[in-house]
Amino acid sequence: DAKTTQPPSMDCAEGRAANLPCNHSTISGNEYVYWYRQIHSQGPQYIIHGLKNNETNEMASLIITEDRKSSTLILPHATLRDTAVYYCIVRLISSGSARQLTFGSGTQLTVLP
Amino acid sequence: NAGVMQNPRHLVRRRGQEARLRCSPMKGHSHVYWYRQLPEEGLKFMVYLQKENIIDESGMPKERFSAEFPKEGPSILRIQQVVRGDSAAYFCASSTLPGTATYEQYFGPGTRLTVT
Repeated sequence: DAKTTQPPSMDCAEGRAANLPCNHSTISGNEYVYWYRQIHSQGPQYIIHGLKNNETNEMASLIITEDRKSSTLILPHATLRDTAVYYCIVRLISSGSARQLTFGSGTQLTVLP
Repeated sequence: NAGVMQNPRHLVRRRGQEARLRCSPMKGHSHVYWYRQLPEEGLKFMVYLQKENIIDESGMPKERFSAEFPKEGPSILRIQQVVRGDSAAYFCASSTLPGTATYEQYFGPGTRLTVT
């Protein structure tokens, strides 16, 4: 799976959009971008994933650049409960690929009141 | 639909004792993954199991650790003769069949093992 680079920490004001960047310049054509988050001491929570197109669900939006070398996770209206470590993970989805998730250091997002 | 369940949530063991951690996957999920998170570190993959089969144990320590996922009942992560370095949060995740379709892993709340 491709390596990802994320800033170690970010702050965001409550109610504002939180934009979390991820660099994955070595991503291959059939690797997906996944985002998980871990709120303090809890199990990681799946947020969203995508391949090429931008994706949106009830939690967040995922913007993937046209060359797919980077992506941004957007939390449109951050709340205090969104304070967590956010992990960007790139992985191959195929019958022969490894199944496990490889977590990096992630970005500690702190939402400020 | 209940999520991934783990028990116990907290487990205290003395050095040399055995620890048994249980994981019940989400309904309809037949694939289980165990991860370990040492204090102040990220999650590390340990083992991936399907019912009655260990598929990938490349992240498991060579000694004292074992895992199973029987035909009936929860998946068990067993640590024999625990040492202080085993103190960590152990997370279980489950998924549907991986492979040709994208899939997500859903995590349980974790078991926090403390070795005294």
